[in-house]
Amino acid sequence: GAGVSQTPSNKVTEKGKYVELRCDPISGHTALYWYRQSLGQGPEFLIYFQGTGAADDSGLPNDRFFAVRPEGSVSTLKIQRTERGDSAVYLCASSLRSGLVDEQFFGPGTRLTVL
Amino acid sequence: AQTVTQSQPEMSVQEAETVTLSCTYDTSESDYYLFWYKQPPSRQMILVIRQEAYKQQNATENRFSVNFQKAAKSFSLKISDSQLGDAAMYFCAYRRFQGAQKLVFGQGTRLTINP
Repeated sequence: GAGVSQTPSNKVTEKGKYVELRCDPISGHTALYWYRQSLGQGPEFLIYFQGTGAADDSGLPNDRFFAVRPEGSVSTLKIQRTERGDSAVYLCASSLRSGLVDEQFFGPGTRLTVL
Repeated sequence: AQTVTQSQPEMSVQEAETVTLSCTYDTSESDYYLFWYKQPPSRQMILVIRQEAYKQQNATENRFSVNFQKAAKSFSLKISDSQLGDAAMYFCAYRRFQGAQKLVFGQGTRLTINP
């Protein structure tokens, strides 16, 4: 595709439910990042993949959050037992490769609302 | 840990005028990268300009330029000849030179352009 795509665009769920958020990076981009942006705040780093492996998951807030990238392309962010505090925009970004200052291209995000 | 601070929650400027957005950061490292991102209502983050800390020359991109003061840990963005399309949230971000690839963002500044 032409850019990073994320689905769904919006997700409304109830407290305690499980959700999956999907990110399709730009074709050929080996690095993929997830960020969380709470209302009125800047994005905060969650996890970074280089290929299929999570190179840095230091931003995941707790063990309810998990992300995978099994084939080194599409990634899924999974949130178990959602809480109202999980409500935010979840942004995905990809870049051609890590280790250099290559640009991170962002998707439009998924707005998650936990009722 | 590195931190980025944007002390101006909102700024406004008349169309065709010049505006400067402020950003300060804290780091103990000598080499790093700094960025300004634009986030319109579509939520998609767009890279505006990038500065490598080891370069003394301030970066410029058309109507956008930065004032990088390394000793003061200051990184301001100047927008010249402001246009209605410049209206957006602007985020300052930091990235380490080596190691962690994640971006550390400030809280953002909402820029309004008055016609």
